[in-house]
Formats: sequence, C-alpha cells, structure tokens
Amino acid sequence: GAVVSQHPSWVICKSGTSVKIECRSLDFQATTMFWYRQFPKQSLMLMATSNEGSKATYEQGVEKDKFLINHASLTLSTLTVTSAHPEDSSFYICSAREGTLNEKLFFGSGTQLSVL
Amino acid sequence: SQQGEEDPQALSIQEGENATMNCSYKTSINNLQWYRQNSGRGLVHLILIRSNEREKHSGRLRVTLDTSKKSSSLLITASRAADTASYFCATVPGNQFYFGTGTSLTVIP
Repeated sequence: GAVVSQHPSWVICKSGTSVKIECRSLDFQATTMFWYRQFPKQSLMLMATSNEGSKATYEQGVEKDKFLINHASLTLSTLTVTSAHPEDSSFYICSAREGTLNEKLFFGSGTQLSVL
Repeated sequence: SQQGEEDPQALSIQEGENATMNCSYKTSINNLQWYRQNSGRGLVHLILIRSNEREKHSGRLRVTLDTSKKSSSLLITASRAADTASYFCATVPGNQFYFGTGTSLTVIP
C-alpha cells in the first residue's frame, strides 16, 4: 500500500519557538493532503486541506497565521506551528490522497508536539 | 461540529466475540469510511461504503449504511486480541474527510 512518512515523530520545544512538521508521500503523488490535530483519547480535528501548488483551505477556527501549511510539491507538505505555546501541544497527523480517483486516505504516523 | 458521533465510546469484549460500533453523522455524504488507529499512531483505512450502498463486507468486517438515518455500523466478527484499537468513521461530504469521535475497542484474550 501507499506510504506516507511524517517526521519528526515527537518534538519538545520552548514556548515561542516555531516547529516544522513534514509529511511526504513516498511512492505516490498526493494531490491533496490533510492535516489533523488530535487530543488524547479524542477524535481527529481537521485543521486544513492543502492542494499542491495552491493555498491551503483552513477549517473554521484554525488560525492560518499560526499554522502555516505549504504544499510545494506532489510529495511534500509541511505544517509549521509558529510561536508555539503550551496550548499547541498535541498530536498532529497528516494524511494524503492519491490523485482524485482514490477515495481513501493514507496516514502518516503522527507527530507528538510538547511545548514547554 | 465537524465530527460525527460514535457509540459506544469504549467497548470491551472477550476474544472470539463480535464487536459492533455505530456512527451517526450530520451532512450528506459521497461515501463513509472506517479507519483503525493503534495508540499513538496514524490511522489505517479499513473499508469504504458509498452513499448508494447499504452493506459491504471485507474479511471479518461488515459495514452497513443507512443514509435516511445518517448512520453506519461496523461489525467485527470473531474478534482477536490484535483487534484492540480505536475505530473511527470518516464522512466524506466533498473533498474533506471528517472523523467521528471514535470507539475504543479492547479485546481480552
């Protein structure tokens, strides 16, 4: 099956710093990537949808200046948490869809962010 | 809320028993999908059912969909300890995928 690589797996940073998370589709071209946030024992909250070469579409309530998403190529999307604060601590998961005909998502293994 | 609702939130069964979890959603959908998540990991796609389908099977999985009630169920038959995980339904109204609240399944050996 298709593989999505996400890294880092975990990151600890000081409050006020920025953190970049990468999501790569290793063996397919991902025209659309999705970024989710998950709190412990809760569901995944869709943050934004990113299409290659265009601006990301953010869900209501998600600060686009806080969570910068770049989808510069068909195999790479990045999420940058700018000026991170403790309340940004969470599990972030990316997912990708191959082309427009493949209807299922392939997920990265997630990034646990802890902001001190 | 972008989420669907799943119940039960948690389910504990003995190995060999069947596990049933339900998902209710709010919007019209193109399809509905079920995913599995092991603790601290990403999700893995299990099965997809389209809006014009009522039932679908895949191995030990059986999914039903009732679009008039905006609900779906996932049945895992002859459960195994390795089935222990969280299970989420995902509704796909358009280009986005929205996940339900999840059911945490524990299968006791």
